[in-house]
Amino acid sequence: GESVGLHLPTLSVQEGDNSIINCAYSNSASDYFIWYKQESGKGPQFIIDIRSNMDKRQGQRVTVLLNKTVKHLSLQIAATQPGDSAVYFCAETMNRDDKIIFGKGTRLHILP
Amino acid sequence: NAGVTQTPKFQVLKTGQSMTLQCAQDMNHEYMSWYRQDPGMGLRLIHYSVGAGITDQGEVPNGYNVSRSTTEDFPLRLLSAAPSQTSVYFCASSHGHPNTEAFFGQGTRLTVV
Repeated sequence: GESVGLHLPTLSVQEGDNSIINCAYSNSASDYFIWYKQESGKGPQFIIDIRSNMDKRQGQRVTVLLNKTVKHLSLQIAATQPGDSAVYFCAETMNRDDKIIFGKGTRLHILP
Repeated sequence: NAGVTQTPKFQVLKTGQSMTLQCAQDMNHEYMSWYRQDPGMGLRLIHYSVGAGITDQGEVPNGYNVSRSTTEDFPLRLLSAAPSQTSVYFCASSHGHPNTEAFFGQGTRLTVV
């Protein structure tokens, strides 16, 4: 069935280092992927998205990589800051479908 | 610009009670959806709507009803609350198909005792 999962439930990173959060998806028909950030007590906030016709997309300090061969998605955060502490979710959907399927989330913990 | 507004922020219900969680957006988005978030479970889709007058079920629709009489509002009704419905509920909206950026509300924390 359709599923989106994450390899690591918690990731601890030194402030200033780069963070890499990984996500595996099982539905090869998914063609749109999104990363969301959720801070404590708040709703998820869109970070960056990527469509299946791309393998890389960059934003401000963030990069999403998509490897369709192994059905893997990653979020890279450059120069991690204390404000990056949050739970990060990947999500997938298909253009012909109206549902977005979320993964379970990875907590990013920033070490001083 | 308020974005997506959910009310109430917190609610305690007794088993068997009914209530409505409100969601309103002022961005003229066609697509709206409700999720529940439980520890270790991520966000699970309850119901969604692709436009006024149209609703459909998500992954976990049992025990919930929705309606979409206007573009702006998408209330979620709990018919007879159960402890298993204790969760944090999020409403989201996006322009057109969900293959675009979704905006989330701040959430409603519901406890059923």
